[in-house]
Amino acid sequence: DQQVKQNSPSLSVQEGRISILNCDYTNSMFDYFLWYKKYPAEGPTFLISISSIKDKNEDGRFTVFLNKSAKHLSLHIVPSQPGDSAVYFCAAQGGSEKLVFGKGMKLTVNP
Amino acid sequence: KAGVTQTPRYLIKTRGQQVTLSCSPISGHRSVSWYQQTPGQGLQFLFEYFSETQRNKGNFPGRFSGRQFSNSRSEMNVSTLELGDSALYLCASSLWGGDGDTQYFGPGTRLTVL
Repeated sequence: DQQVKQNSPSLSVQEGRISILNCDYTNSMFDYFLWYKKYPAEGPTFLISISSIKDKNEDGRFTVFLNKSAKHLSLHIVPSQPGDSAVYFCAAQGGSEKLVFGKGMKLTVNP
Repeated sequence: KAGVTQTPRYLIKTRGQQVTLSCSPISGHRSVSWYQQTPGQGLQFLFEYFSETQRNKGNFPGRFSGRQFSNSRSEMNVSTLELGDSALYLCASSLWGGDGDTQYFGPGTRLTVL
């Protein structure tokens, strides 16, 4: 059973607009959440993280929101740029679990 | 600071053979984790090493094994290769591997089993 779910496999947005990537989790023991970006034939690149004691973390154009009661987190990219086009993975860790990844979502930012 | 490096980047093997992959972590990082990425299963945790000891293990058969050296470099071995072992194998390092400690990934080794 998938503990971390990214229900939308892909998202397409226009350059300059906001990209919102969603992630749901089932394990209430998860207490640290991360977003990674991945290009083909490369390893995942760390983007931003959030601890369960916070509900928001910002880093430049990237903001992650955590809703613990809904077991939901989202990544906002504003403004979106063509170079942001990649596969984005949501990951979580905590309890007895090491890093558990979602299946990924392909973001395409059109010029 | 140099990132995580993995060698080789590409490998082609045949069924029944064995393979060893290598990972050098970021300087100062003592935790090394290995992941398998396949189109169907996504990124799955294999095992984690810290101070030369396997600290955590994912749900993979015993054909998958690893070790860590005193300089924190790690190797992963897969014996009796099967077609289904074809995947991208990723190594990640972090300072201590605990909760809240970010893992940084290498570029991966693409293994093809024929």
